[in-house]
Amino acid sequence: KAGVTQTPRYLIKTRGQQVTLSCSPISGHRSVSWYQQTPGQGLQFLFEYFSETQRNKGNFPGRFSGRQFSNSRSEMNVSTLELGDSALYLCASSPSGDYGYTFGSGTRLTVV
Amino acid sequence: QQPVQSPQAVILREGEDAVINCSSSKALYSVHWYRQKHGEAPVFLMILLKGGEQKGHDKISASFNEKKQQSSLYLTASQLSYSGTYFCGTGGSNYQLIWGAGTKLIIKP
Repeated sequence: KAGVTQTPRYLIKTRGQQVTLSCSPISGHRSVSWYQQTPGQGLQFLFEYFSETQRNKGNFPGRFSGRQFSNSRSEMNVSTLELGDSALYLCASSPSGDYGYTFGSGTRLTVV
Repeated sequence: QQPVQSPQAVILREGEDAVINCSSSKALYSVHWYRQKHGEAPVFLMILLKGGEQKGHDKISASFNEKKQQSSLYLTASQLSYSGTYFCGTGGSNYQLIWGAGTKLIIKP
């Protein structure tokens, strides 16, 4: 059974650019969540999608957006990148909210 | 509000027991426990749901006190492989998880 796949694994972008990260959940999982992880802030919730609908949203600026497709694959977009956006972005999938989440290996974004 | 985990860090000898606590100021619907090793993604350990029973497998178990809005993770006869940072995630009825800051566990031979 394939795990959660995130692409790309590493990314270097310049301040002001935008970036799109991709997440392919485990087959059959309809819930996909995105997190930002930094050494000082821990795991910060970005948003959660369930069956193509954003079900929850964290306290991040509007520069952070996402979407989920009919096959449950999800993308996260960050526009007008700032230095502070440098972090590990993790995607996690679950059959629904009452089950544990399986995390992908993450995309490490560096903004220079 | 972020749940409070305690202790922040703990160092044990192999074979010793550990307890990690997670407290929330909000009513909880669920508590998730994950372990993250350095450079790796968090790995799901267990989920406790409101009204559910204490869970456990092998030498790792957890409890959920709904009235006190607390959960505890019990690690018995710790092994070197238990080293890592343990996170609790607390969930409301909307399935959104809020994560604790983590407890770093170091197991020494």
